[in-house]
Parts: sequence; structure tokens; C-alpha cells
Amino acid sequence: SAVISQKPSRDICQRGTSLTIQCQVDSQVTMMFWYRQQPGQSLTLIATANQGSEATYESGFVIDKFPISRPNLTFSTLTVSNLSPEDSSIYLCSAAGQGAKGYTFGSGTRLTVV
Amino acid sequence: GEDVEQSLFLSVREGDSSVINCTYTDSSSTYLYWYKQEPGAGLQLLTYIFSNMDMKQDQRLTVLLNKKDKHLSLRIADTQTGDSAIYFCAESSDYKLSFGAGTTVTVRA
Repeated sequence: SAVISQKPSRDICQRGTSLTIQCQVDSQVTMMFWYRQQPGQSLTLIATANQGSEATYESGFVIDKFPISRPNLTFSTLTVSNLSPEDSSIYLCSAAGQGAKGYTFGSGTRLTVV
Repeated sequence: GEDVEQSLFLSVREGDSSVINCTYTDSSSTYLYWYKQEPGAGLQLLTYIFSNMDMKQDQRLTVLLNKKDKHLSLRIADTQTGDSAIYFCAESSDYKLSFGAGTTVTVRA
């Protein structure tokens, strides 16, 4: 399975600013995803990061708030824009390679907005 | 995504077996997964089962799938303190994963 390096692992940001999270995969993967895990809750899919084209967002998530880049098959970024305290969560990236075992996750970014 | 439901908490004595249950709604799911999340960490894939299988065993882990009832369970034999974590079941549909709320397993001495 692919190994994902995600950074930063945590950050404390002022409201109104933005945070960009990076994920680097050690091999080429077909699909990459970004999830949000609010405190004490499960994972909610934000979007699918598409290589060379705009990300596909899930209901309730918009590009202006969560711009995503995927310039190649091993790298993606998620930006959380115009931060508010409600954005305080853990954000995780995931990669899907070939087959069932392909879904692996980064270690997560714990964001606190003050 | 489809609904995936799990019980929220499980307390088990060290050395006993743990059983975590999950129900899902998407009958077209190809694979079903169990992930483990330890405090402050990401998700670790524990095991998965193909939808046309009834059971899969992997060392201390046994997964049972009842496709008719859309019920998935994870049994951990000889539960250890290191098994204390949150366990998520997930189903895959259209290359996306839908997760349950997670079951917090606490292992007591």
C-alpha cells in the first residue's frame, strides 16, 4: 500500500487566515481524497482531488472555501480559507491505488482556529 | 454517501474477545473495511472483506459479513491494551468510502 506524508501535523491559525495542507504519496495513485473529522465525529468526505482538473466536491463543500490542487499523481494540497472557529477539525488525505487495499490515509492535520 | 451505523462504545476486559458491529445500507458496496484510529493518529487499515465473502480471518481479527442483512462485524481475539482505539467500519461505493461514527473500544485490566 502507498505511504502518505501529510504536513503540517497540527497548526493554530487566526480567524480570517488560510491554511494549506500538503500530502505526498510515495507512489503514483489513481485517486486522492480529502476528509474532515470534526471533534468526536466520523470522517466526512470533502472532495476527490483529480489530477489535472478541478476537484469534485461533496454536498456542503465548495471550492472557494476548500480549494484543492493535484498537479501530479503523487501530490495534493487542500487549503482551508477564511478560517473560523468552526473549521477546527482534523483534516486527512487519503489515496486509492489499485485494488481493495489501496485506501491509505495520512496521519492527519489538527487545525485549531482562534 | 450511504449510511453506515455502529455502536459508539465497547468496554472489554484484557484477554477477552471484542466484537464490534456495523450495519450499512449500500447493497452495491464492493468492499467493506475496518480501520483503527489511535489518539492523535491517522487511520490504519486493519482488514477488509470483499462483498461476496462471508468471513475473513487474519491473525486475531475475524470479519463476518451478512450481505442479506447488510451487517458487518469485527472480532478481536485476546484483546490487549494496545487494542484500545476507535474502530471505524467503512463501505466503498463508486471509489469513495463512507464511514460509520466509530466505536471507541476501551480495554480494562
